[in-house]
Amino acid sequence: DSGVTQTPKHLITATGQRVTLRCSPRSGDLSVYWYQQSLDQGLQFLIQYYNGEERAKGNILERFSAQQFPDLHSELNLSSLELGDSALYFCASGGRAEPRNEQFFGPGTRLTVL
Amino acid sequence: AQTVTQSQPEMSVQEAETVTLSCTYDTSENNYYLFWYKQPPSRQMILVIRQEAYKQQNATENRFSVNFQKAAKSFSLKISDSQLGDTAMYFCAFMKHSGNTPLVFGKGTRLSVIA
Repeated sequence: DSGVTQTPKHLITATGQRVTLRCSPRSGDLSVYWYQQSLDQGLQFLIQYYNGEERAKGNILERFSAQQFPDLHSELNLSSLELGDSALYFCASGGRAEPRNEQFFGPGTRLTVL
Repeated sequence: AQTVTQSQPEMSVQEAETVTLSCTYDTSENNYYLFWYKQPPSRQMILVIRQEAYKQQNATENRFSVNFQKAAKSFSLKISDSQLGDTAMYFCAFMKHSGNTPLVFGKGTRLSVIA
């Protein structure tokens, strides 16, 4: 158990809809990262938050947005969903002093867009 | 920008044998971290081993070891005494040394351990 939790585990929705994925980082971690893994692909970085502030942006679509709340949990909002958005979405946390520079992954949310 | 390349989409190995997974990367950074992650059928991402670029000694974790060649920008993973539970996707990943930065992943190598 990595200590990172993600809800829901599975999400099935229709094209054009909007969904919210939730992530709670490990206790003490200030950074939250969101990654997308499409079918049989590697992980693509979407966005990072550090202590409530956006820190880095990757290949995140304009239809997607995220935020990190004062209790450090994060939400990834996906809107106007398309079939191609079907993927496994991982949240990872890190930022403690030790172990340095490691990221710990949650179990992922599998999104299916029909 | 950094890139990570895993040139072996699939590999297989007999149980108890040794297998080596390849990874090359491109960066202009001098200090950085390299990682191997395992993703079994459960889809959980599990850290296998990490290497800090300024350390010349290759990292080892039980049956897992790396061959880190900084000049060649190569970072291979050797799995000794392969077990059925090692069957998984393996991803090589890069992180800048400044820390708290995103991981850059390769596309992965699917490893099958055969009884």
